[in-house]
Amino acid sequence: QSALTQPASVSGSPGQSITISCTGTSSDVGSYNLVSWYQQHPGKAPKLMIYEGSKRPSGVSNRFSGSKSGNTASLTISGLQAEDEADYYCCSYAGSSTFKVFGGGTKLTVL
Amino acid sequence: QVQLQESGPGLVKPSGTLSLTCAVSGGSISSSNWWSWVRQPPGKGLEWIGEIYHSGSTNYNPSLKSRVTISVDKSKNQFSLKLSSVTAADTAVYYCARLGLRSLWYFDLWGRGTLVTVSS
Repeated sequence: QSALTQPASVSGSPGQSITISCTGTSSDVGSYNLVSWYQQHPGKAPKLMIYEGSKRPSGVSNRFSGSKSGNTASLTISGLQAEDEADYYCCSYAGSSTFKVFGGGTKLTVL
Repeated sequence: QVQLQESGPGLVKPSGTLSLTCAVSGGSISSSNWWSWVRQPPGKGLEWIGEIYHSGSTNYNPSLKSRVTISVDKSKNQFSLKLSSVTAADTAVYYCARLGLRSLWYFDLWGRGTLVTVSS
């Protein structure tokens, strides 16, 4: 059982927007604006897409955006493209005892 | 640019110790970054194992802390993972990763990962 809760799967058609939620608690997501999101294609290493809640690393498309409300963080992908099909994981800082917790992952299917 | 490469045995016997090394190339392990291990059981999600700074300071996942040791070798520009008393549940792809500059909360660079199977 993962510390952060994500939907197992989401889907969307090319050009549409989708949102993946990541629900934690007041000890992690709710206390820190330090959620990061990772994209993982099959057989590949994860890739950082969003950090510190809403910041995009250099080279990541501005179609990817992050936000937070209360104990839930969200990743939105706009203008869906076939290459966005992958697994997505959220991760939150959880303080100086637990440090970091991941979500269980969400499989995005582009129809 | 900085690259990370994991190495170590792909098969470990139950009750044995899993040992992996992550070589850092294209940059210094003594930079203002923490260095971490993350694992992923086949078909499952990611789990943070622990991390180390070049000074030798470490943080560990509380659920694995009793079995994990992470160390750094600055002369070889690498860091290592030891996981003791392994069982089949420790079978996973093990990734080494770099944490963001002066950060403990996001991984900005990953190795390609190495599969470790625990089996007799």
